[in-house]
Amino acid sequence: EAGVTQFPSHSVIEKGQTVTLRCDPISGHDNLYWYRRVMGKEIKFLLHFVKESKQDESGMPNNRFLAERTGGTYSTLKVQPAELEDSGVYFCASSQGIGYEQYFGPGTRLTVT
Amino acid sequence: GENVEQHPSTLSVQEGDSAVIKCTYSDSASNYFPWYKQELGKRPQLIIDIRSNVGEKKDQRIAVTLNKTAKHFSLHITETQPEDSAVYFCAASPTRTSGTYKYIFGTGTRLKVLA
Repeated sequence: EAGVTQFPSHSVIEKGQTVTLRCDPISGHDNLYWYRRVMGKEIKFLLHFVKESKQDESGMPNNRFLAERTGGTYSTLKVQPAELEDSGVYFCASSQGIGYEQYFGPGTRLTVT
Repeated sequence: GENVEQHPSTLSVQEGDSAVIKCTYSDSASNYFPWYKQELGKRPQLIIDIRSNVGEKKDQRIAVTLNKTAKHFSLHITETQPEDSAVYFCAASPTRTSGTYKYIFGTGTRLKVLA
C-alpha cells in the first residue's frame, strides 16, 4: 500500500511569490489533514478535510493560505503571496476515519527568501 | 488555549540505558495520545498510542503512561539502541462535537543514543 505522498519535497521561493503544495492521501482515506512545523517548534494543525469538505480550518494562519480538495482525493495548499514567516515544513496526513491513526507524508520544506 | 508542553527538548543516553520523555496537555477534553517518531529525512511515524480510559500501554521496549488527573503522559524507552535516535513528538487529541480529530503536538524531543 502506497503511503501519503507530497509534492514537491522542497520549494524555495521569494517573498511575494505563490507556491502550491500537493498531497495525495492513502487511497480510501476520507480524512486529510494539513500541519506545519516552523523551525524548532511544534507541528501545528492547519486544517482537516472530510472528503471534499473542510471539517475544521481553525489553524489556518490567514487568508493568504487556501486549501482545496476537489473530488475528495488529493489536496492542494496554496500560499499567496508568501511571506518570510511561512517558511517551514508542511505535512499532510490522512486517516480512514475519525479517531483512526493519522499517517503522515514526508513533508514539503518551504523556504521563503 | 490548546497546547502540549514536551520535555526535554534534547536527550542523550548511553546505549542500553532508558529514556523518558514527558508531556503535559492543557485541554481536559483530550482523550487520545499518540507518539510519533521522526528519523532524519523521514516522515513522522506512529510508534505507540494510548486512550484516556487506559493508564499504561506497553509494546516491547516502548511504554506510555497517562495520568489524566495531572494531565501528564510519558514515553518510556528501555534498553535503548542506536536506531532509537530520532525526534519524538507527543500529541493530544481532543474530540469535538464538530467531529474533528486534530492533533495538538509538543515541540519534539531529539533523542541521541550513544554507542
